[in-house]
Amino acid sequence: GDSVTQMEGPVTLSEEAFLTINCTYTATGYPSLFWYVQYPGEGLQLLLKATKADDKGSNKGFEATYRKETTSFHLEKGSVQVSDSAVYFCALSDPWNQAGTALIFGKGTTLSVSS
Amino acid sequence: EAGVAQSPRYKIIEKRQSVAFWCNPISGHATLYWYQQILGQGPKLLIQFQNNGVVDDSQLPKDRFSAERLKGVDSTLKIQPAKLEDSAVYLCASSLALQGERAFFGQGTRLTVV
Repeated sequence: GDSVTQMEGPVTLSEEAFLTINCTYTATGYPSLFWYVQYPGEGLQLLLKATKADDKGSNKGFEATYRKETTSFHLEKGSVQVSDSAVYFCALSDPWNQAGTALIFGKGTTLSVSS
Repeated sequence: EAGVAQSPRYKIIEKRQSVAFWCNPISGHATLYWYQQILGQGPKLLIQFQNNGVVDDSQLPKDRFSAERLKGVDSTLKIQPAKLEDSAVYLCASSLALQGERAFFGQGTRLTVV
């Protein structure tokens, strides 16, 4: 079945450092790909998405490019801030899945940024 | 715009007891999801409703879990009897249509089974 694998954390960075969180997926069809973020004490929020190959999603300085050839959707940010400390989830939604279109999540990566 | 409301926020019960969670989705959202998030893992879908019909309940442990969506709006998730491994955060989400990507999540109910 469909699945998402993302790098394990925690990831600890200093402010202004470059961030990469790796994500790869397995899907039978042509999924849409997402990054969700969960800040401490808050609910899951959509950070960015891409719906087809070579699309780049971006938001709040974060970017991720849908790479069909490598089945990847890595999250990047050029300069992290303390306020980016959160848990990041890679996810997919497969419209070709006859069972439904719910999101399938990776295990999450905890990012901790220190000043 | 009001978000997805869930209650209670926290619940502690003993194993073999029963518990119920409530979710009020965003007004007008036809699709409602219940996810289970065990500590250290990503959310896993338990059940998906479209209006008051079930779209996917393949991962719902039906011997102990049940869910209903009242009149296509509010939903309740019940566990009876609870086991220790049911300790998790139960997330409710809603979306306008059958598109998982436009789902909005509630803050969840943290269940601890002792």
